[in-house]
Amino acid sequence: DTGVSQNPRHKITKRGQNVTFRCDPISEHNRLYWYRQTLGQGPEFLTYFQNEAQLEKSRLLSDRFSAERPKGSFSTLEIQRTEQGDSAMYLCASSLGGGMNTEAFFGQGTRLTVV
Amino acid sequence: AQSVAQPEDQVNVAEGNPLTVKCTYSVSGNPYLFWYVQYPNRGLQFLLKYITGDNLVKGSYGFEAEFNKSQTSFHLKKPSALVSDSALYFCAVRDPKIIFGKGTRLHILP
Repeated sequence: DTGVSQNPRHKITKRGQNVTFRCDPISEHNRLYWYRQTLGQGPEFLTYFQNEAQLEKSRLLSDRFSAERPKGSFSTLEIQRTEQGDSAMYLCASSLGGGMNTEAFFGQGTRLTVV
Repeated sequence: AQSVAQPEDQVNVAEGNPLTVKCTYSVSGNPYLFWYVQYPNRGLQFLLKYITGDNLVKGSYGFEAEFNKSQTSFHLKKPSALVSDSALYFCAVRDPKIIFGKGTRLHILP
């Protein structure tokens, strides 16, 4: 499968614990995006990378959230001291280049449940 | 700031009938618009994108979208709906990040 891969697919954690998600983009895609989606809502932008550079981070993202893409390939999203409000589907997407008419391809997502 | 709006939370259509899912946009400059579909417990799948100069854009699974500059709309259409088209549909715009509408749930009734 050469699509965007996200791991794990599901994560259940206790409030206050730290969690880390991984995203492997489509090979050679230099742009990588993270989104959060709650039930019945549209995906909410979190952050995106051009290669290893983080170009934009949503103001909605608290200091507990951090993302990295150290070698310009895979990316990780870490949430520290999780709260129940963090329960959501976390989606990763990648695109080839930053052209405005370039579509992004999404992974299956990681569903986080904070109990 | 770029944005899109989907005025309908849900659309119900009988199988075999034409369907329309509405989207309006607000952009500065040229619009770069997309439609995505999401099936239950799945990620988003790209359907189609607006190509400058084409008022009717064809995409996957028999879907097409009609761009109307004067009405700032980019409505998703299909001539004959299938039950398998039932899903959540999102309109989106490039910012350059991708900004999504809140989604429209499409129910195709057998």
